[in-house]
Amino acid sequence: GENVEQHPSTLSVQEGDSAVIKCTYSDSASNYFPWYKQELGKGPQLIIDIRSNVGEKKDQRIAVTLNKTAKHFSLHITETQPEDSAVYFCAAFPTGTASKLTFGTGTRLQVTL
Amino acid sequence: DTEVTQTPKHLVMGMTNKKSLKCEQHMGHRAMYWYKQKAKKPPELMFVYSYEKLSINESVPSRFSPECPNSSLLNLHLHALQPEDSALYLCASSQDAQETYYNEQFFGPGTRLTVL
Repeated sequence: GENVEQHPSTLSVQEGDSAVIKCTYSDSASNYFPWYKQELGKGPQLIIDIRSNVGEKKDQRIAVTLNKTAKHFSLHITETQPEDSAVYFCAAFPTGTASKLTFGTGTRLQVTL
Repeated sequence: DTEVTQTPKHLVMGMTNKKSLKCEQHMGHRAMYWYKQKAKKPPELMFVYSYEKLSINESVPSRFSPECPNSSLLNLHLHALQPEDSALYLCASSQDAQETYYNEQFFGPGTRLTVL
């Protein structure tokens, strides 16, 4: 089955700096890669996603890149703000699994003033 | 309405109790999911309902019993749970559950369950 590794497990940045979280996946059949943000006491919320026919996608301060050959994908947050502090999960969707996502282990991002 | 609601927010139960978790969505989604999330871990899929039929059971112990009374409602019936079952239980829904195309899952806020 699919295996998703995520690094780092914790990340502390100063407000205004950039943050990068990296994931690798194992199943070449995976074709959809979402990123979820989970704030304390809340369920995960989709913040950006990318499909395997696209190399990069941007939405304001957030961007995701995908390297299918290397089976890597990354989340980039620019101009970080305190409200970006949360746990971020990457995930992969291997086709043939009826919407069964495989999640990474999570990154706790702390944005300090 | 793009919200998935879950009740209760918190639940404390003994190992001999029977309780139920409830989940509701009014987005017209035809797939609904139960996840279990332990502290500092990612969500783990438990069950998937597609068009009100159970399509995936991730080898979950029978002390957890899901039910989908209609396309908007999803229940999780709990009986004879163990302390290690204490976790955040998340419900999610999506337009449907296809094998070749992923539709975004919308998560509820979860029920924090403590088993004494």
